[in-house]
Amino acid sequence: GAGVSQSPSNKVTEKGKDVELRCDPISGHTALYWYRQSLGQGLEFLIYFQGNSAPDKSGLPSDRFSAERTGGSVSTLTIQRTQQEDSAVYLCASSLTYNEQFFGPGTRLTVL
Amino acid sequence: DAKTTQPPSMDCAEGRAANLPCNHSTISGNEYVYWYRQIHSQGPQYIIHGLKNNETNEMASLIITEDRKSSTLILPHATLRDTAVYYCIVRITTDSWGKLQFGAGTQVVVTP
Repeated sequence: GAGVSQSPSNKVTEKGKDVELRCDPISGHTALYWYRQSLGQGLEFLIYFQGNSAPDKSGLPSDRFSAERTGGSVSTLTIQRTQQEDSAVYLCASSLTYNEQFFGPGTRLTVL
Repeated sequence: DAKTTQPPSMDCAEGRAANLPCNHSTISGNEYVYWYRQIHSQGPQYIIHGLKNNETNEMASLIITEDRKSSTLILPHATLRDTAVYYCIVRITTDSWGKLQFGAGTQVVVTP
């Protein structure tokens, strides 16, 4: 079946612009996660959604970052007033059980 | 969650078993050991997890010491496609839906 999809696959933007990154989770998965991976760095948790519970936003690095999940499915990660340090691969994952998270291919964001 | 320690890199000959160690000496009784891997330019992929018993699936085996302070992931017959960064993660079960905290992992290179 279809896996987690993310769009766009690549995004180049200018410093100060806003960007939106989209994640389509596996159908029926109740949990959705956002991570990012900077060049040469490990994966860093950003935020996760589980069902109708309030999202865990504890990993968001600043108030320029926000995310929403509409209808319990698609999620959008928004970065306002992008900075060069926001350049990274942004990864989305979804899960049906607490054991296995299924990751998408990621969106590579480059801020010039 | 308990921290983990892994060697930064290791090589393995194709067709041989790859034994990846992970130290988690501060693990508590309700924490599971998870393994994920990340092939270059892809999102992480779940491999296996366990609490205290040894586990085996189609991808790998997980051996956890009796005191649970360390574990070994075994890839029984390494192939070139197993070249990846392997992450050992310890995760508390009361935070079942929560984030994965990735460390630096072990870069495994399988050579012909």
